[in-house]
Amino acid sequence: SAVISQKPSRDICQRGTSLTIQCQVDSQVTMMFWYRQQPGQSLTLIATANQGSEATYESGFVIDKFPISRPNLTFSTLTVSNMSPEDSSIYLCSVEDKGTRETQYFGPGTRLLVL
Amino acid sequence: SQQGEEDPQALSIQEGENATMNCSYKTSINNLQWYRQNSGRGLVHLILIRSNEREKHSGRLRVTLDTSKKSSSLLITASRAADTASYFCATGPWGGYNTDKLIFGTGTRLQVFP
Repeated sequence: SAVISQKPSRDICQRGTSLTIQCQVDSQVTMMFWYRQQPGQSLTLIATANQGSEATYESGFVIDKFPISRPNLTFSTLTVSNMSPEDSSIYLCSVEDKGTRETQYFGPGTRLLVL
Repeated sequence: SQQGEEDPQALSIQEGENATMNCSYKTSINNLQWYRQNSGRGLVHLILIRSNEREKHSGRLRVTLDTSKKSSSLLITASRAADTASYFCATGPWGGYNTDKLIFGTGTRLQVFP
């Protein structure tokens, strides 16, 4: 298993500003994932972050809006840039199970409200 | 959208009753998984069933998979108030054993009353 922490746990931000969310894992992992969960909705994958390479973004998500860093095998950041109220969501990071590579462990999420 | 559909969207039951939620998906899969999310927090993996399996048990959980109908069901027996959460199915796509394209369903909100 993996233990994942995220900072901040929640934040209230003004439109037009940016917020960087941190994700820390207690063990080295190759792949980290960033998801968005809009209010009352399911999870949508934003991007996959591999250490040492550029993040791979899903359709509808772009690097200028959601830049991602992956400086080492235990840490990643997601920045939500030039925020608007539509960005109000829970942002979750996850890692794959290193043994089975079939399931994922999730962080507790960052609840973001943009005014 | 490739997102799976779950029904019901919401379910309210009394403690001790069984809860059944269903998931339908659209593409061929390698496996199907169920996750639980408490109060908008992180997701916790519950159980995985592979495409060549039809039924799987884990404690009070029973999962079935019908690949001909592209559907799965999750049964929670003898429910408890602590089972109150949102439940999501997620499919792992055929052709890969890694998780980089897990597709999550729309979720079922379960409320268990004491």
